[in-house]
Amino acid sequence: GEDVEQSLFLSVREGDSSVINCTYTDSSSTYLYWYKQEPGAGLQLLTYIFSNMDMKQDQRLTVLLNKKDKHLSLRIADTQTGDSAIYFCAEEFGNEKLTFGTGTRLTIIP
Amino acid sequence: DGGITQSPKYLFRKEGQNVTLSCEQNLNHDAMYWYRQDPGQGLRLIYYSQIVNDFQKGDIAEGYSVSREKKESFPLTVTSAQKNPTAFYLCASTEELNTEAFFGQGTRLTVV
Repeated sequence: GEDVEQSLFLSVREGDSSVINCTYTDSSSTYLYWYKQEPGAGLQLLTYIFSNMDMKQDQRLTVLLNKKDKHLSLRIADTQTGDSAIYFCAEEFGNEKLTFGTGTRLTIIP
Repeated sequence: DGGITQSPKYLFRKEGQNVTLSCEQNLNHDAMYWYRQDPGQGLRLIYYSQIVNDFQKGDIAEGYSVSREKKESFPLTVTSAQKNPTAFYLCASTEELNTEAFFGQGTRLTVV
């Protein structure tokens, strides 16, 4: 079955880059997503990548997809205090199923 | 085992009918959420509830209704007013609004 894993915690100094990693087992997904969950809010879609792409960049965010190793990462450049949140990766399988990772809590150190 | 359960996994509805999707959790979580997933768009928040007998509209509440009579249950009704109801629906819960989310397996609704 599908399994998506993430590290539970990540601490980064303000101004440094954050790299949040995600590994998955099923490579038949169509899209892979990164979501952000902030206090008092629901899930917010940050970015997504189509499964036949290797990289996508959007301002401070860079998504890298290594299909051979089944590894997805989200890099946040110049991390700010407002980036503190829980980050989820998710795999979509043709609109039939959406499998989430466990979430990574990003803490910013001043 | 503790968890969050959605049922059914697949649901078919005729146009003009209301249909209710079930979401139950035994995690003792206060907050529960309903999202809708469309390909390439990511999740969109329909409704959420922070506590029993209280719920708030999300970004796309029109055509949907919810209730929260019990802490464990947060059913979503897709009404005939929802113009494009065919989608994948995901339920989630959190202990509070600022904690890790747990997700159900999802319900695929198809209008025929």
